[in-house]
Amino acid sequence: EVQLVESGGGLVNPGESLTLSCAASGFNFSLAWLSWVRQAPGRGPQWVGRIKSRSAGGTIDYAAPLKGRLAISRDDSRNTLYLQMNSLKTEDTAVYFCTWDAYKGGTYSFAHWGQGALVSVSS
Amino acid sequence: DIQMTQSPSSLSASVGDRVTITCRASQSISNYLNWYRQEPGKAPNLLIFAASSLESGVPSRFSGSGSGTDFSLTISSLQPEDFATYFCQQSYSNPPEYTFGQGTKLEIK
Repeated sequence: EVQLVESGGGLVNPGESLTLSCAASGFNFSLAWLSWVRQAPGRGPQWVGRIKSRSAGGTIDYAAPLKGRLAISRDDSRNTLYLQMNSLKTEDTAVYFCTWDAYKGGTYSFAHWGQGALVSVSS
Repeated sequence: DIQMTQSPSSLSASVGDRVTITCRASQSISNYLNWYRQEPGKAPNLLIFAASSLESGVPSRFSGSGSGTDFSLTISSLQPEDFATYFCQQSYSNPPEYTFGQGTKLEIK
């Protein structure tokens, strides 16, 4: 069974940093392309960024509005995905999901999701 | 950015009804369109990928159609668990800048 479990969320002050982790099991993590997707309260999901597998080059792409404040990384030996967020703003308040991206039908979709980690940015 | 616009934003229907939700892209995205269902407090769940392909394990009452800029999700006979929020998402952008629609909340009449 595919499992993605996020951790590291919490309440932080504006301007602070936070790192989320996503522990994966039930699939070949080292070959997986993985994304972070966030969802602010009452809003639709927003794609944050994606990291390809090492065999695919390990390329990391970020959503343009968030580029520069984020760092996505992975540790294939620990089957864990990370999202480091810097200079947090109140508008970064959201539930952050990690996803395993499936390539099917000639396109990518977010086929498996974690349960999400809540990040609240407030003074 | 490619903008995705869903309609309606909310919809009231009864168990057994047939409903259709539409999604329009701000530019052509071929068939690079996915649909998700999200229950309150849970993560979205993939229903349809590549506009019309049913994800494994998803009931056949769900179907998707469309290409280019106009897409639709149809539920042929609503079940109680279908009262949730539905999102479309484009996967056309390269480099990726994947965007979601604002959602359609399906409520019990």
